[in-house]
Amino acid sequence: QVQLVQSGAEVKKPGASVKVSCKASGYTFTSYGISWVRQAPGQGLEWMGWISAYNGNTNYAQKFQGRVTMTTDTSTSTAYMELRSLRSDDTAVYYCARDYDILTPYYMDVWGKGTTVTVSS
Amino acid sequence: DIEMTQSPSTLSASVGDRVTITCRASQSISSWLAWYQQKPGKAPKLLIYKASSLEGGVPSRFSGSASGTEFTLTISSLQPDDFATYYCQPYNSYSKTFGQGTKVEIK
Repeated sequence: QVQLVQSGAEVKKPGASVKVSCKASGYTFTSYGISWVRQAPGQGLEWMGWISAYNGNTNYAQKFQGRVTMTTDTSTSTAYMELRSLRSDDTAVYYCARDYDILTPYYMDVWGKGTTVTVSS
Repeated sequence: DIEMTQSPSTLSASVGDRVTITCRASQSISSWLAWYQQKPGKAPKLLIYKASSLEGGVPSRFSGSASGTEFTLTISSLQPDDFATYYCQPYNSYSKTFGQGTKVEIK
């Protein structure tokens, strides 16, 4: 079945970087995009950005421009999200989700279970 | 950026009630809107896309509609499994800001 398996929980110090992985299976990886969404404790959903697994094009939410990098490895059907210069307010659950389009961010029809990232000194 | 105003933020209802949640877009997004359901500690789940198209496997008591820049998610007869938080999201542009969410609670 179609699924996205994310890497395990991370604890980071302020100023560090974190790289979360998202391994896809059950579908043709390069026929879709991957969006990343985060959710701080007790808060709503926040879209961070999108990458096309077809051609590697990216689109990042303005809030994260310059601090986030999204990549894919088509040989392993894995997407990655790296967030740098971490702050305490980056503490959140980070989700990857299959984005229905390969050319532009679209709706998200399959979600990973989430990766908890805790930023604390 | 397109802003989505979702209301109400909280809704108290009983099993069997008809429930309506609204999202209003700050500008035209045609029908490019999705609705998601999220339960505590779980990932969101796609319910509706293109304003009114039901995702496969989603019960038919869920429906979506659009009128101009106002979008509505309706649950025709609330079931115990439906108590959750619901989010709308536009997707016609590179701005995909979610609505603030509506928590459906047991009355």
